[in-house]
Amino acid sequence: DQQVKQNSPSLSVQEGRISILNCDYTNSMFDYFLWYKKYPAEGPTFLISISSIKDKNEDGRFTVFLNKSAKHLSLHIVPSQPGDSAVYFCAASDGGATNKLIFGTGTLLAVQP
Amino acid sequence: NAGVMQNPRHLVRRRGQEARLRCSPMKGHSHVYWYRQLPEEGLKFMVYLQKENIIDESGMPKERFSAEFPKEGPSILRIQQVVRGDSAAYFCASSPPYWASYEQYFGPGTRLTVT
Repeated sequence: DQQVKQNSPSLSVQEGRISILNCDYTNSMFDYFLWYKKYPAEGPTFLISISSIKDKNEDGRFTVFLNKSAKHLSLHIVPSQPGDSAVYFCAASDGGATNKLIFGTGTLLAVQP
Repeated sequence: NAGVMQNPRHLVRRRGQEARLRCSPMKGHSHVYWYRQLPEEGLKFMVYLQKENIIDESGMPKERFSAEFPKEGPSILRIQQVVRGDSAAYFCASSPPYWASYEQYFGPGTRLTVT
């Protein structure tokens, strides 16, 4: 049962344009969401997060939006740069005693110069 | 401030051998998580440990897999009698206590290949 879904395996965007990566979840108990970026042969790098009590969080070029009623979140990257090309993972936590993260399957972003 | 360290980065084992994967958390972090990534999949939670305690091992296969985080030294993920299906990237993450931060910081991973 895939509780966190990233339905787009890949996305291609021109440099300078906006990249929008989407994530859907099914478990209404999730109360914290995170985005990670991963290059080949490296570990995931934390990018940005959002608590379920908020609907937006911004950090530089990265903004995460949360729509709790739709159980949907998105990551916006503006402007996109070639160095942003990587796999992006959405993850969720139920904030319980363990804080284990449930990951989506990832979206490969390619930013074309 | 050094990040999460994992070694070895690559490990090749023949079927039936044992694999030992090591993880040293970031300085000041006392919580360690292990995740596994199979080819073309996302990361899957395996186990959560604090010093000398296994807190949640709900994602760990019941047989052949074990984990520890001793009072001194790195956390160890041990896989006995490896099989081809164990070939994957194994990532360790560390965090401060969960009540302080939800963010987990990952190491570079150990890529296990079983031949």
